[in-house]
Amino acid sequence: DSGVTQTPKHLITATGQRVTLRCSPRSGDLSVYWYQQSLDQGLQFLIHYYNGEERAKGNILERFSAQQFPDLHSELNLSSLELGDSALYFCASGGVNSPLHFGNGTRLTVT
Amino acid sequence: QKEVEQDPGPLSVPEGAIVSLNCTYSNSAFQYFMWYRQYSRKGPELLMYTYSSGNKEDGRFTAQVDKSSKYISLFIRDSQPSDSATYLCAMSVVTGANNLFFGTGTRLTVIP
Repeated sequence: DSGVTQTPKHLITATGQRVTLRCSPRSGDLSVYWYQQSLDQGLQFLIHYYNGEERAKGNILERFSAQQFPDLHSELNLSSLELGDSALYFCASGGVNSPLHFGNGTRLTVT
Repeated sequence: QKEVEQDPGPLSVPEGAIVSLNCTYSNSAFQYFMWYRQYSRKGPELLMYTYSSGNKEDGRFTAQVDKSSKYISLFIRDSQPSDSATYLCAMSVVTGANNLFFGTGTRLTVIP
């Protein structure tokens, strides 16, 4: 168990809808990272938050947004969903001098 | 050219074989190197974390870094069916998790 918790495990929704994915980092980790993993693209970095502040953006679409709350949990919001957004979404947490530890992901299916 | 290149496989070996998984990279500034194991429908699990060149051993796993060749390897000795998974290499310039570059993963199957 990595200590990173993601909910829900599965989401099935229709095109055009909006969903929220939730992540609780490992105890003591201030950083939360979001990644998207699809079959043909591998792990794609989306966004990084550190102690409530956005630190870096990767290949994150404008339809996607995230935030990190004072208790350090994070949410990834995906809106106006398209079929191509179907993927595994992973949250990872890490410390200043430690590597990433991943949760088990949320599998999103857009129909 | 991608920052990190990894042969996607798939790779199938008999139980007990020695497995060699490899990644090449283009950025000579990378100093921190990781290997993750990902079982189907699970998150990547950190296996090995090394700094700079050299070898690191942990049980049946050995990570090797050759910075002069920009080449890293993961060796698995006495492979087991439970080692069947996708193995991802990752690397970064600075310590911690910033600017981590992942390979696309190699799918390994160990046949009993």
